[in-house]
Amino acid sequence: EAGVAQSPRYKIIEKRQSVAFWCNPISGHATLYWYQQILGQGPKLLIQFQNNGVVDDSQLPKDRFSAERLKGVDSTLKIQPAKLEDSAVYLCASSTRQVSYEQYFGPGTRLTVT
Amino acid sequence: AQRVTQPEKLLSVFKGAPVELKCNYSYSGSPELFWYVQYSRQRLQLLLRHISRESIKGFTADLNKGETSFHLKKPFAQEEDSAMYYCALRRASGYSTLTFGKGTMLLVSP
Repeated sequence: EAGVAQSPRYKIIEKRQSVAFWCNPISGHATLYWYQQILGQGPKLLIQFQNNGVVDDSQLPKDRFSAERLKGVDSTLKIQPAKLEDSAVYLCASSTRQVSYEQYFGPGTRLTVT
Repeated sequence: AQRVTQPEKLLSVFKGAPVELKCNYSYSGSPELFWYVQYSRQRLQLLLRHISRESIKGFTADLNKGETSFHLKKPFAQEEDSAMYYCALRRASGYSTLTFGKGTMLLVSP
């Protein structure tokens, strides 16, 4: 089966600019996750979707980050405006159901904010 | 709050030596523990979980609730084991998110 797809793979922007990331999960996977991984850290969950509804966004900085999954399939994560500390790898993952022991990760998008 | 601690950033061993990657957790309830691995230029992927009690690629991990640990072990390291290893925790009941440790880089030299 095709894996989780993400684009772009790399992005460099200046602070205060906006950026958007796209994720297409594995076909049939109802649950989608966005993680932020800062250099030297483990992945940190930003938001979890079940179909097109938000299950957990408690760690999402809502003043600048937003995410949507309108049709319950692919998803976009947006940062507006970006700060230097947003430099990180943004990982998308999917799983077959809400309570699933295995999450399948995409290749990630490496964001550099200058 | 739940927390996962991996005390070593880097573990360097020679091929054929035993390996133990340490993981300690903090959580008052009943947890599920996992090890995820990321090989060079590959995606993060599940290696094993404590419930299955299986050996994957020669690795095993036992959940020790008394010591709140879930160390990853392999008796004889191979060069292809070189990778970044992350320990992760999730509440056993209901939906919940994974909490990852900071990771340990395992480097196996010939």
